[in-house]
Amino acid sequence: NAGVTQTPKFQVLKTGQSMTLQCAQDMNHEYMSWYRQDPGMGLRLIHYSVGAGITDQGEVPNGYNVSRSTTEDFPLRLLSAAPSQTSVYFCASSRGSGTRFGANVLTFGAGSRLTVL
Amino acid sequence: AQSVSQHNHHVILSEAASLELGCNYSYGGTVNLFWYVQYPGQHLQLLLKYFSGDPLVKGIKGFEAEFIKSKFSFNLRKPSVQWSDTAEYFCAVLIGNTGKLIFGQGTTLQVKP
Repeated sequence: NAGVTQTPKFQVLKTGQSMTLQCAQDMNHEYMSWYRQDPGMGLRLIHYSVGAGITDQGEVPNGYNVSRSTTEDFPLRLLSAAPSQTSVYFCASSRGSGTRFGANVLTFGAGSRLTVL
Repeated sequence: AQSVSQHNHHVILSEAASLELGCNYSYGGTVNLFWYVQYPGQHLQLLLKYFSGDPLVKGIKGFEAEFIKSKFSFNLRKPSVQWSDTAEYFCAVLIGNTGKLIFGQGTTLQVKP
């Protein structure tokens, strides 16, 4: 049981390049989400998904795309990287997204550190 | 817009001191409330959670938090901190059934031995 797996762990991009951060979970979780963590800003929600085929925008969605074609995978795409996207990115998942007891406790991945030059 | 505010950004305490970290949120409807902790070099993990019922909830490692609905607050407490509590602490609020889980800015706690 691997939990939430993120790849790559580290990546350096040049401005304008594109890339995809991969996230996979093997817990059959309905809910998946992407956050970015910046010093003094905490974790900010980028996009989230309450189930396969359903995605929605979080607090800071600009510059990022997501899709959820399967329950297991939730990739985050940067179409044209900018220095402002330098950050640590966390993928997280939970059994559910509603206010049912215990269903929405997040399991986090290890994080992906992205630097955009 | 919904938001979560943590008042203390960096706290330094000596071992055995008491801890209280403030957390306030802005949303008038149903919420679920969480505190997560990130120890150095480790994943974020759940410290405690509030869903309903008793507003005083207890978590792991002697931490507790109190939900005060009228103040939109969910402050974290521990009577006596240990060096091993050195970590970054995040308050988070699930906004109704939207699926949006919003985090605060985080508080870095440094406990001196």
